[in-house]
Amino acid sequence: EVQVLESGGGLVQPGGSLRLSCVASGFTFSSYAMNWVRQAPGRGLQWVSSISGSGGTTYYADSVKGRFTISRDNSNNTLYLQMNSLRGDDTAVYYCAKSRVGRTGFDPWGQGTLVTVSS
Amino acid sequence: EIVMTQSPATLSVSPGERATLSCWANQTVSTKLAWYQQRPGQAPSLLIYAASSRATGVPARFSGSGSGTEFTLTISGLQSEDFAIYYCQQYDNWPLTFGGGTKVEIK
Repeated sequence: EVQVLESGGGLVQPGGSLRLSCVASGFTFSSYAMNWVRQAPGRGLQWVSSISGSGGTTYYADSVKGRFTISRDNSNNTLYLQMNSLRGDDTAVYYCAKSRVGRTGFDPWGQGTLVTVSS
Repeated sequence: EIVMTQSPATLSVSPGERATLSCWANQTVSTKLAWYQQRPGQAPSLLIYAASSRATGVPARFSGSGSGTEFTLTISGLQSEDFAIYYCQQYDNWPLTFGGGTKVEIK
């Protein structure tokens, strides 16, 4: 079964840092692009970042560019999101999602990990 | 940035009836459009990709149509588990963008 499972969320002060992880199983991890999507409390979905299968190409939403870094360890089937200079509006559930072949949608999604930025 | 707009924000439908959800893009995305379902307290799940192709395991009562800037998700014969929020997403251009969602509620 294809699965992705996030971890690493928690409470962090404004200006702080956090690293999220996403462990994948059930597929050849290095063959697929991976993504992070977030959802603020009571709000809709917001794409955050994507990375190619090799890790050589990355994309970011303008709201996180320069503060967040996406990376992957293909030897350990793990996706990361390093989040620095966190702000209150970064508070959200962060989902990891696998890209379908050809980047035609996200499937499956993990259960999400909650990041709360507050003093 | 491509802006995705969904309508209506809330749709009240009786079980067994048909629901029609709309999604517009402010510029063409060809058929590079996906639909997701998010049940309360759960992660989103992929329903439709390439505007009209059902994802694996998605029931045939879900259908997608459209191209360019106008898209539709139709749910025929709504069942209890279909009451949820539905999001469209374009993947034609970076940044990837989602619509604001349509909540399908029980009438």
